Amino acid sequence: AQSVTQLGSHVSVSEGALVLLRCNYSSSVPPYLFWYVQYPNQGLQLLLKYTTGATLVKGINGFEAEFKKSETSFHLTKPSAHMSDAAEYFCASLNAGNNRKLIWGLGTSLAVNP
Amino acid sequence: DGGITQSPKYLFRKEGQNVTLSCEQNLNHDAMYWYRQDPGQGLRLIYYSQIVNDFQKGDIAEGYSVSREKKESFPLTVTSAQKNPTAFYLCASSNVRGGQTDTQYFGPGTRLTVL
Repeated sequence: AQSVTQLGSHVSVSEGALVLLRCNYSSSVPPYLFWYVQYPNQGLQLLLKYTTGATLVKGINGFEAEFKKSETSFHLTKPSAHMSDAAEYFCASLNAGNNRKLIWGLGTSLAVNP
Repeated sequence: DGGITQSPKYLFRKEGQNVTLSCEQNLNHDAMYWYRQDPGQGLRLIYYSQIVNDFQKGDIAEGYSVSREKKESFPLTVTSAQKNPTAFYLCASSNVRGGQTDTQYFGPGTRLTVL
C-alpha cells in the first residue's frame, strides 16, 4: 500500500535555526506531493506543492521543499525559524492511480524556542 | 472572499444523538471531502464527493452519513452508531481536472465533543 512517512513526530529548534522536516513517500510512480501547515484549532493551509518540473519548490512563509526521486523524499526546509512557525506540519501525496484520495503522513509538531 | 466555511466551530452532543456538521464552499470546486483528525493519527478520510448527488465512502465511513444536493454544500451527519465521535472534523474541497483531483483547500474545522 502507498504510504507517506514523516520522520519525527516532534521537532524542536531555536529561533533563527534551520528547520528541516522530513517526508518520504512510497510510490513506483512519482506522485504529486504537498506540505500543509496547521495552527492550533484551525484548518490546514497549503504551504507548497510539487507536481512536475522543477524539483525545488518554494512556498509561503519562506519554506521550500525539494523532490528527490532517487531518495523518494520531499523534505521541508526553512533557513531561519521564527516563533510564528510553531505548528503542526503534514506531508501528503496524490498518486495517479489513486486520484481521488490524498495519502497523509501523521504530522510533525514543530516547536520554536526563543 | 472565496473560501470554505464550517459551522459551528465547537459542538457538544449527548450520547445517542445525531448531529450534523455544515460545510459550504464558494470556490466553485467540484470535489468535497470530510476528514476526521485525532491526536497522533493524522487525517482520516470519512466521505468524499466529486459531483452533485454522488459520494463515496472513505476509510472510516461507519457511523457517518453525507449528502451532496448542491455543489457548494456537503453536510456530514455523525450518527449515534459512531462509537467514538469526539474529534476535530475538517472539510475540504478541490477542483477536478481531466479526472484528476487538484489541490485540496480546507475549512477551519469543527470540534465535536460527546458528553
